[in-house]
Formats: sequence, structure tokens, C-alpha cells
Amino acid sequence: QSALTQPASVSGSPGQSITISCTGTSSDVGGYNFVSWYRQNPGKAPKVMIHYVTNRPSGVSDRFSGSKSGNTASLTISGLQAEDEADYYCSSYTSSGTLVFGGGTKLTVL
Amino acid sequence: QVQLQESGPGLVKPSETLSLTCTVSGYSIRSGHYWAWIRQPPGKGLEWIGRIDRSGGTYYNPSLKSRVTISVDTSENQFSLKLTSVTAADTAVFFCGRLDPWYFDSWGQGILVTVSS
Repeated sequence: QSALTQPASVSGSPGQSITISCTGTSSDVGGYNFVSWYRQNPGKAPKVMIHYVTNRPSGVSDRFSGSKSGNTASLTISGLQAEDEADYYCSSYTSSGTLVFGGGTKLTVL
Repeated sequence: QVQLQESGPGLVKPSETLSLTCTVSGYSIRSGHYWAWIRQPPGKGLEWIGRIDRSGGTYYNPSLKSRVTISVDTSENQFSLKLTSVTAADTAVFFCGRLDPWYFDSWGQGILVTVSS
């Protein structure tokens, strides 16, 4: 299985909004509403920010939102804050019963 | 609150077998969920290795399937990973996690395993 495609890096200034894309195929992202997004700070385990495309777990800021169109899912962070600087990964269920991650996106808050 | 903790050798020789265990506390594996292993080479992205259920049913990443075995010991509330014929390319931080069922709601802290002679 091939990794989902994410931009290597994105950046934004405090207060701005950014969007990270995650592109797969009809066998993963496009075929199921089982896309999740994780934030990973250096040296730490990832933490889920969005699951099942649009669902935000309890305790996650409502500045984080998810969407999907066709084979591409997106994570949007609004009102960017310095603490949002981290690596972000998408993940999707696949038609083979496996999971696949994206290559990761480094978010820099300018 | 479920907690997961990886354990095992931090150094493995090339061509040998990497063996890790994930101990789960605060939740019984017998109660359900899928349990999975993920790895992350230094400075690189996450790679899903495979998952197992309480009955021992498994799914593996096709790229690793020939070398990977994941097993579960419900009496000890643990699940384990074996990766055979390792090379330097297998050097990574290995995480265990709980799937609910298609996203990770809990992760271990991770363990660095280095493949080197």
C-alpha cells in the first residue's frame, strides 16, 4: 500500500488559518469515511485531533476541523497559535482491512 | 483510562529478530478493540505495521507481511510484535496503540530500537 500524500510543510502566521491536504485513492480516503488526523510534537506519541473525517474528540480545540472531497481529505486549523506548531499526519482505513498513514506535514507558525 | 507501555531490547543485531511487547493497563484486551503496532524511523513519518484483535485475528502491512508476526496474550493483557531478518532500515521508534476501531485513541510512549552490530 502506498502512503497517503501530504505536503511536506505548511506555514502560517498567528491568527491565520491553514489547511493540510491528504490525498489517497478510492480504495482508502475516497472509499471510506475513516480518515483521522494526528498531531505529533517532537519526541512524543501522536495525538488524535480529528477522526472519521470530521469528528473532534473531547478536549480538542474547535479551531481544528476536518473535511473530505473525493480522494482528498483536509485538516483546517483556524486562529493559528504558536502551540499548533508540530507534525501532522493523516490516516485512513483501506479496502484491504489495513490502515495507511500520510507522509506527514510539518506546520510552522511564523 | 487505558495506558500502553512498550518494552523490549533497544538494540538488535542485523539478520536477527526484533521482539517487543505492549502491556495494556486500565482496560482488558478481552473487552474488545483492535491493538496495533506502528513504527517511525528517525526523522521520518509513521508506518502502520499491523493489528490484532482479542481472538488473535491479524492484518499486516503488505510491505512487511513476510517478516511480521503480531500475537496477543489476554491472560497477561499484552500483545507482541516480532519482526524477522532486521536490517539498519528497521531502526525506528516503535509505538503500540489501541484502535477504536479505525483511529488510534491511545498510544504508548514509544521505544527506540536500533539495528546495529
